[in-house]
Amino acid sequence: DVKVTQSSRYLVKRTGEKVFLECVQDMDHENMFWYRQDPGLGLRLIYFSYDVKMKEKGDIPEGYSVSREKKERFSLILESASTNQTSMYLCASLDRLNEKLFFGSGTQLSVL
Amino acid sequence: DQQVKQNSPSLSVQEGRISILNCDYTNSMFDYFLWYKKYPAEGPTFLISISSIKDKNEDGRFTVFLNKSAKHLSLHIVPSQPGDSAVYFCAASVWSSGDKLTFGTGTRLAVRP
Repeated sequence: DVKVTQSSRYLVKRTGEKVFLECVQDMDHENMFWYRQDPGLGLRLIYFSYDVKMKEKGDIPEGYSVSREKKERFSLILESASTNQTSMYLCASLDRLNEKLFFGSGTQLSVL
Repeated sequence: DQQVKQNSPSLSVQEGRISILNCDYTNSMFDYFLWYKKYPAEGPTFLISISSIKDKNEDGRFTVFLNKSAKHLSLHIVPSQPGDSAVYFCAASVWSSGDKLTFGTGTRLAVRP
């Protein structure tokens, strides 16, 4: 069965801290994505990656960076966390054969 | 600029009746559309999809209709069940874009027993 695992369900950080959100998929998918979900705004794409060491900006990349050193792992980095980055963060990987996006359970990040 | 819009933030339906969730898009390049369902504290899960060469796709109790000229799609759930209560997201993509999905804002469906 398809599995996308996000390392933390809940995270509380202070303003200015560097924050790492980790995501691992076990399906050998090439495409991986980071979204954030906010009330009234839906899911917005932060960054995505087509392959190892490849990354593309999504719709709201400001304040974020990503790392894809291995195919199964896609990390989202908040260089200096701010309160407006308090959100639910969702990682996903794409089954291109069936055109289905599989999501992790999400990380609820609170920046104080 | 919201390219995919779900204008109803919430919908309440009686069990056994039809639920109709609507979605509008502005980008005429979109050629693949999907619906995802999300329960609290879980990631969204794929529900049903449709490509622009079709105007209808059916999977059990779920049917998606696409009206390209109106840039509108809808999800019909018949009959609605209490377990269908969730947030539903519409999403769209341009097939050649590398599968980058643009999501709507979501509609919270509540099915009353």
